[in-house]
Amino acid sequence: GAGVSQSPRYKVTKRGQDVTLRCDPISSHATLYWYQQALGQGPEFLTYFNYEAQPDKSGLPSDRFSAERPEGSISTLTIQRTEQRDSAMYRCASSPRGSGRPDTQYFGPGTRLTVL
Amino acid sequence: AQSVTQPDIHITVSEGASLELRCNYSYGATPYLFWYVQSPGQGLQLLLKYFSGDTLVQGIKGFEAEFKRSQSSFNLRKPSVHWSDAAEYFCAVGSGGSYIPTFGRGTSLIVHP
Repeated sequence: GAGVSQSPRYKVTKRGQDVTLRCDPISSHATLYWYQQALGQGPEFLTYFNYEAQPDKSGLPSDRFSAERPEGSISTLTIQRTEQRDSAMYRCASSPRGSGRPDTQYFGPGTRLTVL
Repeated sequence: AQSVTQPDIHITVSEGASLELRCNYSYGATPYLFWYVQSPGQGLQLLLKYFSGDTLVQGIKGFEAEFKRSQSSFNLRKPSVHWSDAAEYFCAVGSGGSYIPTFGRGTSLIVHP
């Protein structure tokens, strides 16, 4: 596609519900990243994929967070049993080359998650 | 571990004035440095990056940044600010291994007419 897209753009949910966020990277981009951005802060790394492999999950805050990229293109981020502290902007980015080399990341518009 | 400090949370300038946004990083080896801009409702857009070579880097929209190893800095500059430059600016540093960048907390630029 022309750019990174994310859906939904806004999500409001009640505490305890599960949510799934979607990221559609630039086609043929090898690497896909997920970030969490709290209000007034910079993006914080959650996890990334090199094609369908997920070499680093170190940024995921708890085991309630999981991500998939089963065919090496579209990715989903799932948060189970949401809590109010999960409220944030969730950003996806992709880069053309595989990890292990410096590269430019292209960001999507983000999904604003609000947990009531 | 790498880290990035953007000491100014807000910067206010008049349209037409010059601009400098500060960024300091902490990393032992040669870092890979980025400046991104985030406009309301938009994703982060890359302004410029430094991987190697000339330490003065030119970017889009008339921005430039200079890598100063001795000061561990990568400050962003623009000689004449336009009202459309009002946005949030993020400095980021990537390093060896997976090169996943670490972002600063951002500087909010306000432009007065």
